[in-house]
Amino acid sequence: SQTIHQWPATLVQPVGSPLSLECTVEGTSNPNLYWYRQAAGRGLQLLFYSVGIGQISSEVPQNLSASRPQDRQFILSSKKLLLSDSGFYLCAWSETGAATEAFFGQGTRLTVV
Amino acid sequence: SQKIEQNSEALNIQEGKTATLTCNYTNYSPAYLQWYRQDPGRGPVFLLLIRENEKEKRKERLKVTFDTTLKQSLFHITASQPADSATYLCALDMRNQGGKLIFGQGTELSVKP
Repeated sequence: SQTIHQWPATLVQPVGSPLSLECTVEGTSNPNLYWYRQAAGRGLQLLFYSVGIGQISSEVPQNLSASRPQDRQFILSSKKLLLSDSGFYLCAWSETGAATEAFFGQGTRLTVV
Repeated sequence: SQKIEQNSEALNIQEGKTATLTCNYTNYSPAYLQWYRQDPGRGPVFLLLIRENEKEKRKERLKVTFDTTLKQSLFHITASQPADSATYLCALDMRNQGGKLIFGQGTELSVKP
């Protein structure tokens, strides 16, 4: 069966520090991969998605970047965090093609102080 | 750009009643709409998917309808229970155009005993 791992679960980082959040998927190949951010009480904002290794689409110009160095690995990074980067970050995967459900990781609660 | 909107941020109903949540999207075709449930501090969990050529889908006490003229989907929970209290998110599946899956802001449902 397929599983998605996202870590860490919580993270407190000072302003100006770097960030690296990792997400891996097991039990499938060539999945679509997604990074979302959720502010408190709000919906999911799509940050990046990837349909294959090295193929990254960015939705919102901002202080973050994403990479997909392996088929089932998706990394969210920042060189210098801002206070506004605080939020709940969610990684998700789905099979390729339309009309397939997305499976989410447990999320990372990031607080920038 | 494509948008998806959920009309209500919060909905309070009495146990046993039917909860109805609304989701509207901007012009996009073929449209697939997905509905997810999210509990606090957790990632969303898939519930139902409906295609634009389907008028209705059911799963146990859940029912989703699709009106392509109004560009609207309704999500119903019949015989609601306090355990149904959660945030419900709709998503526009754009995966046939590059892999995007965008979410509305969610409706927080509270079912009172």
